[in-house]
Amino acid sequence: DVKVTQSSRYLVKRTGEKVFLECVQDMDHENMFWYRQDPGLGLRLIYFSYDVKMKEKGDIPEGYSVSREKKERFSLILESASTNQTSMYLCASSSRENREQYFGPGTRLTVT
Amino acid sequence: KNQVEQSPQSLIILEGKNCTLQCNYTVSPFSNLRWYKQDTGRGPVSLTIMTFSENTKSNGRYTATLDADTKQSSLHITASQLSDSASYICVVRGYGQNFVFGPGTRLSVLP
Repeated sequence: DVKVTQSSRYLVKRTGEKVFLECVQDMDHENMFWYRQDPGLGLRLIYFSYDVKMKEKGDIPEGYSVSREKKERFSLILESASTNQTSMYLCASSSRENREQYFGPGTRLTVT
Repeated sequence: KNQVEQSPQSLIILEGKNCTLQCNYTVSPFSNLRWYKQDTGRGPVSLTIMTFSENTKSNGRYTATLDADTKQSSLHITASQLSDSASYICVVRGYGQNFVFGPGTRLSVLP
């Protein structure tokens, strides 16, 4: 079974803090994705990566950066957290053919 | 603009009843469409995936249909159970494109 894990299920941070969200997949997938999910808006793509050290901006990259130093790990970084970044963050991975995405359990981030 | 719309936004049914969720999309050129189930506080889990040539696909009590001409899909749930309470998300991918997510339908199954 494909397994995508995220470092935290719940996280509370203060405004201005630097935040790291980690995602690890065990299926040797080339593609990895970070989404945020807000009520009524569906999932919105923040960044994705199709290979180690490669990254592409998604629909809403502002205020975020990513790092992919190893194939199995994809990190989302909030350089200076703000209250409007309070959200559910979902990581996903897929093979190179990109036919189906497998999601992690999500991290619910609250910025106060 | 590529978009995916879902209806209804939310739905409440009694246990044992059937229901149908709708998905309309404008993504083009079309590659595939999938339905995900997302339990509260969890990541989405795939139910079905359909390509252009498929118009019906079943997964247990879940049956998805696809009309690529009208760009519509539906997810039919038969003999609903309390565990079916979740959000159901329609996701469409175009060729060479990323996934476009619908906003989801929130289903509540009551005893």
